[in-house]
Amino acid sequence: DQQVKQNSPSLSVQEGRISILNCDYTNSMFDYFLWYKKYPAEGPTFLISISSIKDKNEDGRFTVFLNKSAKHLSLHIVPSQPGDSAVYFCAASYTGTASKLTFGTGTRLQVTL
Amino acid sequence: EPEVTQTPSHQVTQMGQEVILRCVPISNHLYFYWYRQILGQKVEFLVSFYNNEISEKSEIFDDQFSVERPDGSNFTLKIRSTKLEDSAMYFCASRAGGGELFFGEGSRLTVL
Repeated sequence: DQQVKQNSPSLSVQEGRISILNCDYTNSMFDYFLWYKKYPAEGPTFLISISSIKDKNEDGRFTVFLNKSAKHLSLHIVPSQPGDSAVYFCAASYTGTASKLTFGTGTRLQVTL
Repeated sequence: EPEVTQTPSHQVTQMGQEVILRCVPISNHLYFYWYRQILGQKVEFLVSFYNNEISEKSEIFDDQFSVERPDGSNFTLKIRSTKLEDSAMYFCASRAGGGELFFGEGSRLTVL
């Protein structure tokens, strides 16, 4: 039961260019979405989130876009840096579930020089 | 910066043995979670804990699993009789009233 899907297992981007990571969800009850970054042998680190009442949230180089009608969100990283190389997980939750997060399968981003 | 700490970082155990994974959540946080990630798979929810009781648990969290907060600071996950398929990275997480979860660095469990 894949309620949150990240269809691209990997992405390679040149340093300085834009990285776009995509995420789709099926559960229309989700009302809060998050992106986490994960390095090997470490726990997920929170990056940015968005509530379903918004369609865009920006924090420095990171912007998350939400398209509720398409049940799609994306994370844009501009400009990409080598230190951004990691696995990025999309996660979703809905009110009333004590913020239980449902994670996607992750996208491995490689930022090359 | 406050962080969630987990011990041990790696535990190797024989099938059928009991394992306890320990977590110290961030001190003013109220909600506590265990997640796991089997190698190459996604991070999966196991259980959430609030006000000294389980608030939600997944299908994975069967009778072999239990959680407790014995002393107001530690938050433990016990697996009573480990199986090979319990081998995974186990992440503890906590949050304050709302917003994002803060994760620990994980405990790698290897069941032989």
